[in-house]
Amino acid sequence: SYELTQPPSVSVSPGQTAKITCSGDALPKKYAYWYQQKSGQAPVLVIYEDSKRPSEIPERFSGSSSGTMATLTLSGAQVEDEGDYYCFSADSSGDHSMFGGGTKLTVL
Amino acid sequence: EVQLVESGGGLVKSGGSLRLSCVASGFNFINAWMSWVRQAPGKGLEWVGRVKSKSDGATTDYGAPVKGRFTISRDDSKNTLFLQMNSLKTEDTAVYYCVGGVDAWGQGTLVTVSS
Repeated sequence: SYELTQPPSVSVSPGQTAKITCSGDALPKKYAYWYQQKSGQAPVLVIYEDSKRPSEIPERFSGSSSGTMATLTLSGAQVEDEGDYYCFSADSSGDHSMFGGGTKLTVL
Repeated sequence: EVQLVESGGGLVKSGGSLRLSCVASGFNFINAWMSWVRQAPGKGLEWVGRVKSKSDGATTDYGAPVKGRFTISRDDSKNTLFLQMNSLKTEDTAVYYCVGGVDAWGQGTLVTVSS
């Protein structure tokens, strides 16, 4: 079955740039979406359609996709950005969607 | 303001059934593709399934672990999404989220399946 693969954890110092990757064979043809989830809360969309940012999301969040890899970039990460990040996309048929396994971002 | 409010969660025994509901407001429910996503305790997000809008055929798709046991439906006259869960297993224990489109999430309802 189709899978999206993320690193389990990423650590970065405050003010530095964090990159979280998501790999999947269908990503050249399907959009990637990124969600942030903080403990005990529902997920929040931070990037949609590979690189678009909802208006309420800070500009330090950006997304890109090339080939079979999508990347979420936090430029100037802040302590408040800590949490779990999930990529989301569909298989090549578009009939089934899935999440990556999630990446725990630590900013310290 | 966009709101999604789930209900119907609770404790059920293995092999039992449960029906979740999600009432939506603040957006165009009729044209929205609606999904259910779950999260087992301490685990990641898992896509359960989706129903397309009526204009897109109102077709449903499901993740492999729930296919044949769960059914998603919608009542556009009441802006309500449903998840009928049958033959429940302990591994179905999770918080179940209702999702409108890709960006509107409810707060979730907990389903606990005991053995």
